[in-house]
Amino acid sequence: GDSVTQMEGPVTLSEEAFLTINCTYTATGYPSLFWYVQYPGEGLQLLLKATKADDKGSNKGFEATYRKETTSFHLEKGSVQVSDSAVYFCALDRDDKIIFGKGTRLHILP
Amino acid sequence: EAQVTQNPRYLITVTGKKLTVTCSQNMNHEYMSWYRQDPGLGLRQIYYSMNVEVTDKGDVPEGYKVSRKEKRNFPLILESPSPNQTSLYFCASSFSTPVVNEQFFGPGTRLTVL
Repeated sequence: GDSVTQMEGPVTLSEEAFLTINCTYTATGYPSLFWYVQYPGEGLQLLLKATKADDKGSNKGFEATYRKETTSFHLEKGSVQVSDSAVYFCALDRDDKIIFGKGTRLHILP
Repeated sequence: EAQVTQNPRYLITVTGKKLTVTCSQNMNHEYMSWYRQDPGLGLRQIYYSMNVEVTDKGDVPEGYKVSRKEKRNFPLILESPSPNQTSLYFCASSFSTPVVNEQFFGPGTRLTVL
């Protein structure tokens, strides 16, 4: 069935470091792809999305490009901040539902 | 303020004692959904509703019931809770399918079943 695989955490980086969180997917057809973020003690928030191949989603300095050839949607940010510490979920759509990955916890050290 | 509210936020109960977790949204959203979040498993969808009186099973519906009698409310019912339903539960809503429209999440309900 359709699924999302993302790198296991936790990922620990220093402030201003470059961030990559890997995400690959398995799906029939061409799903829309999403990144959600969960800050401590809160529910999830949509961070960005891409609906077709080669689309780039971006928000708050984060970017991800829909790569059909590698079935990937890696999340990147050029310079992370302490406030980016959170859990990040990659996800895809199947029918009218969102299928989430297991999440990657990110710690940013000052 | 536009929001999704859940009650209670924390609940400790015992096996077999029926409970209801309420969810309400004030954004006139048609689509509502319940998820559970477990360590190492991420979020899994329990049930969802495309509109009033329309509900469908998600990926892990066993042991849960829902109802959608009004547009704003989508309660989650555990008729006979068991310890394997100990989890963090999130309600979410969106204007229509979350594929097209942003999904807004509630703050979560942490449930412990002893």
